[in-house]
This record gives sequence, structure tokens and C-alpha cells, in this order.
Amino acid sequence: GAGVSQTPSNKVTEKGKYVELRCDPISGHTALYWYRQSLGQGPEFLIYFQGTGAADDSGLPNDRFFAVRPEGSVSTLKIQRTERGDSAVYLCASSLGTDYTDTQYFGPGTRLTVL
Amino acid sequence: DAKTTQPPSMDCAEGRAANLPCNHSTISGNEYVYWYRQIHSQGPQYIIHGLKNNETNEMASLIITEDRKSSTLILPHATLRDTAVYYCIVRVNFGNEKLTFGTGTRLTIIP
Repeated sequence: GAGVSQTPSNKVTEKGKYVELRCDPISGHTALYWYRQSLGQGPEFLIYFQGTGAADDSGLPNDRFFAVRPEGSVSTLKIQRTERGDSAVYLCASSLGTDYTDTQYFGPGTRLTVL
Repeated sequence: DAKTTQPPSMDCAEGRAANLPCNHSTISGNEYVYWYRQIHSQGPQYIIHGLKNNETNEMASLIITEDRKSSTLILPHATLRDTAVYYCIVRVNFGNEKLTFGTGTRLTIIP
């Protein structure tokens, strides 16, 4: 079946602009996660949704970052007033959400470059 | 979640077993050991996880020491497609869904 998909695959923007990154989880997965990966580092947790609600947003670096999942499926990560330090690969993952040992399946990521 | 320590890089000859170590000396009784890998330009891929018993699946085997302070991921017959960064993660399985990645081990399979 289809895996986690993310669009766009690449996004180049200018400092100060607003961007939206989209994640389509695996059908039926109630849990959805966003991570950010800087060059040479492991992925870093941003936010976790269970259904429509953000169960843990402790990883969001500041109030310029916001994520939504209004219908419990597709999620959008929104970044306001982008800064060069926001350049990274943004990864989305989903899991069944029924058990704590559920496997997280990752998408290919969106590479964001802020000029 | 407990911190893990992995060697930054390793080489392994194609067709041989690749043994990737991980130290997690501060692991708690309710924390599982997870392994993920990330092939270049792809998202991380789940490999295996365990609590205290050794585990095996179609991809790999996980050996956890009796005191649970370290573990080894074994790829029994490494192929060139196994070249990737391998992450060892310890994760409490109650009320904490996120994965905390370190910098992992870059495994290179040599032809």
C-alpha cells in the first residue's frame, strides 16, 4: 500500500517568507509526527498528533512554528517569518496509534532551504 | 529517555555479518531498545525493537545484554543496500510517543 507522502519534496524560500509543508499519512494511522533533521544530525522531534489534537508539541522551537491536522488525516506544518536557521529536512511519520510499540513509518521528507 | 552511545562509523565486507554496538547504560526498566536506519536521502526505516529478550525478524537480529546496558544489531549477510546510518534509540513505552535520535553509526558495506 501507499506509504507516507510529503509535499513538496523541495522548497526554496526567502528569509521572512511563510511556508507550508504537507504530510499525507498512511491510511488508517491515527498518530502523526513531525521531525526536523539538520545536516549531519539525527531527526529531532517537533510535534505529535493523536487524531486531530496535538498530544505533544514540546519540540516546536518557537511560536513561528505551528502544525494542524484538522480532520485527523493530512497534516500541515506552517512556518512563519522563515529564518536561514530553519533550513533542514522536515520529516513526517505516522503510526497506527493503538499501542506504544507501534512502528513509526517515515515519509521521504521535505528539504527546506531558506535563502 | 535514556541516552545512547554508538560508534560514528563502521565498515563491513559485503556478505559478512555486520555487528553494530550500542551502549545505553542508563536505560530504565520500562524502556525499549529500537533500531532505525536511514539510507541517503530517505526517511528513517524501522528495523527492530526489544525489551530484554533477543529478537529476530526478516531484516536483523537484536541482542540485548542481560543487564540491558548495551545491545548489538546484527545484519547477518550485509549487502551494498545496507549502507546507511543506523540509529539506536531507547524509548519509554508509556505516555511518550516520540523517538529521540542521536547521531547514529554510519555503516559502509565494502564490495
